[in-house]
Order: sequence, then structure tokens, then C-alpha cells
Amino acid sequence: EAQVTQNPRYLITVTGKKLTVTCSQNMNHEYMSWYRQDPGLGLRQIYYSMNVEVTDKGDVPEGYKVSRKEKRNFPLILESPSPNQTSLYFCASGREGARGYTFGSGTRLTVV
Amino acid sequence: DAKTTQPPSMDCAEGRAANLPCNHSTISGNEYVYWYRQIHSQGPQYIIHGLKNNETNEMASLIITEDRKSSTLILPHATLRDTAVYYCIVRVSTNAGKSTFGDGTTLTVKP
Repeated sequence: EAQVTQNPRYLITVTGKKLTVTCSQNMNHEYMSWYRQDPGLGLRQIYYSMNVEVTDKGDVPEGYKVSRKEKRNFPLILESPSPNQTSLYFCASGREGARGYTFGSGTRLTVV
Repeated sequence: DAKTTQPPSMDCAEGRAANLPCNHSTISGNEYVYWYRQIHSQGPQYIIHGLKNNETNEMASLIITEDRKSSTLILPHATLRDTAVYYCIVRVSTNAGKSTFGDGTTLTVKP
């Protein structure tokens, strides 16, 4: 089944403890992207990637890192999480000419 | 990418057509209009997209005005399962690069 898989689905962590949210797609898509969603603020793009080793900042990149070493994986790294990064995170992938992004099921992160 | 404006909420009776408007008055000639929806806190789901012609697929129809400054998503026979937040976005290429989702329209389908 074609899908975008995020892990974990839920995570509670403490301030300052480095964490990684993984994202993997099995559709051979060139494009991948991370979003965060907060009440009243819609979906905001954190980082996106056009292909392997090509990444760029979205609208809210501060406090996040990404890497794209393989086409299928696009992990989101929080080096020193803070409570304002408590949010619902979505990974998405797509390709040129396709119908639209395919989104993962989301990761609900709480930083205490 | 052009900014979009959508009403915050709409109601629709079950079985009737739901018409969701989107204003994108600053759209450029090479920008597409995309529609997604999000049910509860699930990942958004692609619905339909278009450049200048009206489009129809198994889920919905998309009507784009001739000047391309606005569009309407039509769900022809809304069901309770269509209750969701609907996002209209405009972007220069199909899936690459930056894309911004606004707050969308919360559609409530009522029995």
C-alpha cells in the first residue's frame, strides 16, 4: 500500500532532550515536507526537500533540522526541544505532476 | 505562492451539494489551485487541483472563474463523512517547494 509512515504517533518528552521523528515513503517520491499544526494557525511548513541531499526552509524552521540521505526517508530532528514545539506534526511526500501530497498520519509531540 | 481566503465555517444538509468558496485574487498565471481536506486530526487528504479549466474527479468538482481570482469546490451529494476542514492552497508547481495552508473552512454536514 502506498503510504507515508511517521513514527512515533505520540511522544511526550522533556525540554532539551534531543529527539527524532522519522518519516518514510514507499512511492519513490522526489518531494518531501514537514508541517506542524497548532490550533488557530493552520498547517505551517517547517522544511521541505526537493530530492536527496536537497533541503530548504519552510515558514517555521527555527529549532528544527532535517536530512535527506535517502529518497524514501526524511527525518525531523529537534536538537533541544522546548515547550513551544508541542504540536501535531505531519510529514508529506509528492512528485512532479502528481495529484497532490500524500500525508502521514501525524505525530503528536508534547514537550514538558 | 498566492494567499487564499476562505470562510471559517459552513453548514450543509446531508445529500445536498456543498459549495466551498476560495478567493485567490493575487494568483499568478502559472499557479495551480489545490484543495485538501482534513478529518479530525488525521493527515490532510488531497481532493482535486486545477490550473484554469474546471475539473471533476470521483470526489468533487472544481470550478475556477475565468479570471482565476476565485474558485469553488463542489461536493455534489454531501454525506456526514464529508464533515472536515477544507483547505484551498495556491502554488506554482505541483508538489515541489514551499506551500502554505491557511486556516481552511470547517464544513459541517448535518442530517
